[in-house]
Amino acid sequence: QKEVEQNSGPLSVPEGAIASLNCTYSDRVSQSFFWYRQYSGKSPELIMSIYSNGDKEDGRFTAQLNKASQYVSLLIRDSQPSDSATYLCARGSSASKIIFGSGTRLSIRP
Amino acid sequence: NAGVMQNPRHLVRRRGQEARLRCSPMKGHSHVYWYRQLPEEGLKFMVYLQKENIIDESGMPKERFSAEFPKEGPSILRIQQVVRGDSAAYFCASSPRQAGGPYEQYFGPGTRLTVT
Repeated sequence: QKEVEQNSGPLSVPEGAIASLNCTYSDRVSQSFFWYRQYSGKSPELIMSIYSNGDKEDGRFTAQLNKASQYVSLLIRDSQPSDSATYLCARGSSASKIIFGSGTRLSIRP
Repeated sequence: NAGVMQNPRHLVRRRGQEARLRCSPMKGHSHVYWYRQLPEEGLKFMVYLQKENIIDESGMPKERFSAEFPKEGPSILRIQQVVRGDSAAYFCASSPRQAGGPYEQYFGPGTRLTVT
């Protein structure tokens, strides 16, 4: 079992709709979770970090964490073509290391 | 406030040569991480360093790869006797020094290494 699991996609969403990206993880003791966006040929960019159960909102982005289910998600409201990218889910491990999933490719169609 | 800096951005080496990749963390950050990303694949952790210390090198290949973060100057990832399989994007990330953690990591633009 992978430590951080994501559907590779591509996930295709019409412009203006809500994009929902999901991630599961295997380590019950993880306390910190992150979402990064990576455009093709570019470096990962931090979008959201979440440490507590529940929702955390930042503009059009909402991260949701459910530690009991070992599940974290990212919602993107009013999706724009510029949101088309690969989204990397990551969890913190001991000793300050972050473990990344393989990423979900998101495509927003006009 | 400058972000994480990496150089060179692109590096071409022939098989058997050495590659040196440099990373300067964000101002105020004392933790440096190196990752490798093969085309169409995810980020693979290589090594975690603080000034003058290697904290975790569990992702580093046992041979040919080494890393350092000296008291002065940038962190260096060194690959000796490169092979074609070393061709990849190498990203450096940094995070601030804080108790507990792990905390957010901020990435540099990466070095694209091509081995011919």
